[in-house]
Amino acid sequence: DTAVSQTPKYLVTQMGNDKSIKCEQNLGHDTMYWYKQDSKKFLKIMFSYNNKELIINETVPNRFSPKSPDKAHLNLHINSLELGDSAVYFCASSQEGLAGVHEQFFGPGTRLTVL
Amino acid sequence: GQQLNQSPQSMFIQEGEDVSMNCTSSSIFNTWLWYKQDPGEGPVLLIALYKAGELTSNGRLTAQFGITRKDSFLNISASIPSDVGIYFCAGCNAGGTSYGKLTFGQGTILTVHP
Repeated sequence: DTAVSQTPKYLVTQMGNDKSIKCEQNLGHDTMYWYKQDSKKFLKIMFSYNNKELIINETVPNRFSPKSPDKAHLNLHINSLELGDSAVYFCASSQEGLAGVHEQFFGPGTRLTVL
Repeated sequence: GQQLNQSPQSMFIQEGEDVSMNCTSSSIFNTWLWYKQDPGEGPVLLIALYKAGELTSNGRLTAQFGITRKDSFLNISASIPSDVGIYFCAGCNAGGTSYGKLTFGQGTILTVHP
């Protein structure tokens, strides 16, 4: 009964490859996010989707393309992987609540290593 | 853009001690959140603060939303070994184009010695 799940947990790949990370939430939330956590543990938002519509798109290379087939899923596809893409990627979801605040629930993360 | 400065960066304490950490921002937020991250896991929400001056507790944790809306602190009383982890503050301006965007502090790494 995992609330926010991601696959895979670990991903090791070569530079130049294309890879995808999948995220699913069973909380019935209408907003989903992707975050990147670097080696210094700094968390930074990349994208957010509300009801399958892109809401936030931070300064992220266009090699990163999120896709939301439905409210419960937000996948992240990365083209032409680079060494600097190595990080832990977290998916999160939220539902607008008190005063428009979104308390976000995070998945377990996907550790991406680019060789 | 908005930046959050979280301090201290790390703390080494004995079991039973109280802990205090804080976050300051270059500009105001209308919501503050505190998260804890265990190794190999995603951040878990501990406390959410919605009003300037608000003081909220969750068990041994207490957090306050600063009056200026530019700061927040988190206290942990009588620490135990399972308090070990990374604690993050996060600010949010609900509504409008921000739409749930969280800005995170750099994290405080807490180590508790038995």
